[in-house]
Amino acid sequence: ETGVTQTPRHLVMGMTNKKSLKCEQHLGHNAMYWYKQSAKKPLELMFVYSLEERVENNSVPSRFSPECPNSSHLFLHLHTLQPEDSALYLCASSQDPGGADTQYFGPGTRLTVL
Amino acid sequence: LAKTTQPISMDSYEGQEVNITCSHNNIATNDYITWYQQFPSQGPRFIIQGYKTKVTNEVASLFIPADRKSSTLSLPRVSLSDTAVYYCLVGGNTGGFKTIFGAGTRLFVKA
Repeated sequence: ETGVTQTPRHLVMGMTNKKSLKCEQHLGHNAMYWYKQSAKKPLELMFVYSLEERVENNSVPSRFSPECPNSSHLFLHLHTLQPEDSALYLCASSQDPGGADTQYFGPGTRLTVL
Repeated sequence: LAKTTQPISMDSYEGQEVNITCSHNNIATNDYITWYQQFPSQGPRFIIQGYKTKVTNEVASLFIPADRKSSTLSLPRVSLSDTAVYYCLVGGNTGGFKTIFGAGTRLFVKA
């Protein structure tokens, strides 16, 4: 889906680095999400934003810090990550943050923590 | 949020019809059933959504019995490119938000 873009597509970082993942949606949606997908595991919902306000935070460690400056952009700030945080990070958006609304996913950022 | 149960994996051959069943015994009255497809290292992609009876689009059909405690995704005449993980989700637009992707069903289509 070209409606949701993510940058960078690949990221390698050390445990002491600070980096940010960016997501942008061009669909006019009100809700945006961050998911984590580790190797051969189901998607884990991390954060949900509705109209720039966080509405869901699934017990994610504080080393992951989301930011939603407007309804089109979503960031995930990373600091002092652990090797087990290596995963595919997916951003998604939907018209509204309801369980029945279709989510449109970006291509993901493949993160490797050394 | 209704929990879903799907087979972990399925094998098929090109040209066959594939039916993947999802159980959701505690589905709520206002919940919809949505199926997604995911290829390796990509985000999931919407396939089909339904509330009751049968829904059909250009990609698949979704069969939902009257009690709505299960649903079946039907993929007609699969090809090698249909090899992917298929997720069944159940949720409504009231009562807050949660989306839980289960383990999904890994479909492997052989030549």
